[in-house]
Amino acid sequence: EPEVTQTPSHQVTQMGQEVILRCVPISNHLYFYWYRQILGQKVEFLVSFYNNEISEKSEIFDDQFSVERPDGSNFTLKIRSTKLEDSAMYFCASSVQGRYTEAFFGQGTRLTVV
Amino acid sequence: AQSVSQHNHHVILSEAASLELGCNYSYGGTVNLFWYVQYPGQHLQLLLKYFSGDPLVKGIKGFEAEFIKSKFSFNLRKPSVQWSDTAEYFCAVYSSASKIIFGSGTRLSIRP
Repeated sequence: EPEVTQTPSHQVTQMGQEVILRCVPISNHLYFYWYRQILGQKVEFLVSFYNNEISEKSEIFDDQFSVERPDGSNFTLKIRSTKLEDSAMYFCASSVQGRYTEAFFGQGTRLTVV
Repeated sequence: AQSVSQHNHHVILSEAASLELGCNYSYGGTVNLFWYVQYPGQHLQLLLKYFSGDPLVKGIKGFEAEFIKSKFSFNLRKPSVQWSDTAEYFCAVYSSASKIIFGSGTRLSIRP
């Protein structure tokens, strides 16, 4: 069964460093998403991406964040200068379309900023 | 824009008990509703979804949910829970064309 894959599964980084989280969405899906879940808290929407541009973004997704689809398969989330409060589980998801189709989630990347 | 709320933060049940987890959404036009489950240390998995049609939706692992438009609710049910149902359950809704938002989640603990 097709699945969304994310790498790495766990990343530890120093505060102020740049990190890139990688995702390979399901191949025929057109919408891609990033969510984050701070430990013990709710799943928060960061950004959606469609047709090679950001479709929607939340207030969390500030100038420190960016997304990119560098080739036909990968979808990346970059955090330019990490802060302690960026420590969270980051989930990538994809859907065939937007509304009316479910999103499939990857296993997540646990980001720890020290 | 749509929003979704879950009022049960932590539910503790014994095995074989019946389960009902509450989910309410705000009205905002076309409703696409989901229940996702997150087992300990794992990613979000879709339990069931409602887009249109029969308001009683059956999902995986014996779960079902009923869309009640007049109550703005989409409660999750299971007639007899098992220890393996221990997980966090999230209700979710499309708040716009390309944004799914999640409720705060309900942690379900099952006593063996």
